[in-house]
Amino acid sequence: QKEVEQDPGPLSVPEGAIVSLNCTYSNSAFQYFMWYRQYSRKGPELLMYTYSSGNKEDGRFTAQVDKSSKYISLFIRDSQPSDSATYLCASPTRRNQGGKLIFGQGTELSVKP
Amino acid sequence: DAGVTQSPTHLIKTRGQQVTLRCSPKSGHDTVSWYQQALGQGPQFIFQYYEEEERQRGNFPDRFSGHQFPNYSSELNVNALLLGDSALYLCASSLGLAGLGGPYEQYFGPGTRLTVT
Repeated sequence: QKEVEQDPGPLSVPEGAIVSLNCTYSNSAFQYFMWYRQYSRKGPELLMYTYSSGNKEDGRFTAQVDKSSKYISLFIRDSQPSDSATYLCASPTRRNQGGKLIFGQGTELSVKP
Repeated sequence: DAGVTQSPTHLIKTRGQQVTLRCSPKSGHDTVSWYQQALGQGPQFIFQYYEEEERQRGNFPDRFSGHQFPNYSSELNVNALLLGDSALYLCASSLGLAGLGGPYEQYFGPGTRLTVT
C-alpha cells in the first residue's frame, strides 16, 4: 500500500465549476500536508500546506484535512482554464516536516472554457 | 530573487553511461533535495544534502550519488544508466534541516528531463 494515494484522473470540468481533489494516506504519523501544482513540463509549485486537522483557505483554494479518516482534500472555487495542471498532495515523513516528502501520484485537472 | 535553477534542461544518454545533473538553490536556502519523477507519477525522493553531507536517502541504489558544494549548489550523479532511469529529475531547495522547527517550504526547480536509450 502506498503511503499517499491519489486518483490520477484525468478530471475535466467547465470553467467556473467547484473542483474537489482528494488524497488518502496510511501513515498516522503524518502531521503536515502540502498541495503542489505542476504545469506541464515544469517543476511542482507549492500552493498551500495545512497542519493536522481542519481547513485552510487561500483565495479560491481551500485545503481540508480529516485525520480520523486519513483524508485530505483541495477545493478550487470558480475554476479557471489557468488552473489546468496536475495537482500533487504530499506529506513529510518526519515529525518536524522537513526532508523527504511523500507524494501522491497526482491528479490531472483540465478546466474547459 | 532567483529561484531554483537546474541544468541541463534535457539530456539524452545511452545505457551504461554516466550523467551529472546540477542544481543551484533559491537565494538564501542551504538545503537541497533531489527527486525522480517518472511520467504520470509523483516525485520520488532520492536524497537530501545539508552542510555538504547526505542527510536522508530514499530507496535508490548506490548508482545514485550526490554532492553539495560550499555555495550550497548540488550535483546528482547516476552511474551505469538503465532505461528505467529515464525521468524528470527535480531539485528542491529549502532553509534548514528537519528538526529545526517550524514549517518550511521546499521550492522546486524546473527539472532536468533525462532520456536513456
